[in-house]
Amino acid sequence: EAGVVQSPRYKIIEKKQPVAFWCNPISGHNTLYWYLQNLGQGPELLIRYENEEAVDDSQLPKDRFSAERLKGVDSTLKIQPAELGDSAVYLCASGWVNTGELFFGEGSRLTVL
Amino acid sequence: AQSVTQLDSQVPVFEEAPVELRCNYSSSVSVYLFWYVQYPNQGLQLLLKYLSGSTLVKGINGFEAEFNKSQTSFHLRKPSVHISDTAEYFCAVSVLIQGAQKLVFGQGTRLTINP
Repeated sequence: EAGVVQSPRYKIIEKKQPVAFWCNPISGHNTLYWYLQNLGQGPELLIRYENEEAVDDSQLPKDRFSAERLKGVDSTLKIQPAELGDSAVYLCASGWVNTGELFFGEGSRLTVL
Repeated sequence: AQSVTQLDSQVPVFEEAPVELRCNYSSSVSVYLFWYVQYPNQGLQLLLKYLSGSTLVKGINGFEAEFNKSQTSFHLRKPSVHISDTAEYFCAVSVLIQGAQKLVFGQGTRLTINP
């Protein structure tokens, strides 16, 4: 069974440029999450989807971050424009709504110069 | 609000020695508890979970954890560690809020195994 797939694994951009990350969750999972992980810290939730609906986006900086989950499957996280402080690993995870157990992708490491 | 505290940011241990990684949580409602492991440049992988039932939970790679409700703790243990256990370990608590589970992570404990 395929796991959560994320791309790109690594991205280097200059500040003020846009960037997008893509996530394909495990088939059958009805929840999808985007987490931000800074170096040496635990993941912090950016946004949570149940099917197509974003049910918790309170931690998403909406002035520059946006996310979508078309057709309740794949999801895209976008940053525009990127700032130096956005350098981090962006993790995607999926699971079932009632257990809280999540399956993570390998992450997308962003470096903003 | 729910929170998770991992009491040690770094734990150095010699190979084949036992190890305990400590985790305390705060929550006024019932929780599910998890330990995840993260190897360098990889995503998080589930080690073990407590949903209900026996308070002693066994996971992969010889790890186990014990849920202690009175002390609000979920410490991770392994009787004999291997070099390959070197990684970052995250404790997490999941709480049912408005019909859905919300997962909150601790800051992580870096386990370093020395030969």
